Amino acid sequence: SQKIEQNSEALNIQEGKTATLTCNYTNYSPAYLQWYRQDPGRGPVFLLLIRENEKEKRKERLKVTFDTTLKQSLFHITASQPADSATYLCALDIYGGATNKLIFGTGTLLAVQP
Amino acid sequence: EPEVTQTPSHQVTQMGQEVILRCVPISNHLYFYWYRQILGQKVEFLVSFYNNEISEKSEIFDDQFSVERPDGSNFTLKIRSTKLEDSAMYFCASSRGEEQFFGPGTRLTVL
Repeated sequence: SQKIEQNSEALNIQEGKTATLTCNYTNYSPAYLQWYRQDPGRGPVFLLLIRENEKEKRKERLKVTFDTTLKQSLFHITASQPADSATYLCALDIYGGATNKLIFGTGTLLAVQP
Repeated sequence: EPEVTQTPSHQVTQMGQEVILRCVPISNHLYFYWYRQILGQKVEFLVSFYNNEISEKSEIFDDQFSVERPDGSNFTLKIRSTKLEDSAMYFCASSRGEEQFFGPGTRLTVL
């Protein structure tokens, strides 16, 4: 069956450390993988997109990697801050076309302690 | 910065009633979507819409659901006869290409 799994329901880290979130998928071959942030009661907010032919993408303190052989993406937040506390969602875009759906994982709740 | 807006923020309805959820996508976007999130669960795709027609829909999007872009700015989701299990947060999203921009959501409560 097709699955998207994100590591542990909650991740607690100390301010200033690097948070690493994992997204594993089975029986999908996504063209793109996207990461979103979701705060309680709010809609997802786009963070980063990585294509199947890309290994790594960076944006400010964020870094994402994509290993299509392992069927895994890692999402890193360096120098984490309490304001980074939120739920982080990975989403697969199977066809890479704008008309197509995103398939979301269940999310990882990140709590950054001051 | 342009953003997707949704109204109402909270809708309470009786089972069997029709509801219309409204969205104003970002003005130069061409692709529109509805997703839902049942409390404590993951965000689920409902439907995508482009060039005034449905591009793709999920198995959730049955005959009780319909979408419309009536006037070139609004994008609506109609549920004809609501069920208890339709209670969820409904998110509209729009896109020009790859990343999708989500609205703040409408919380639908079916009693």
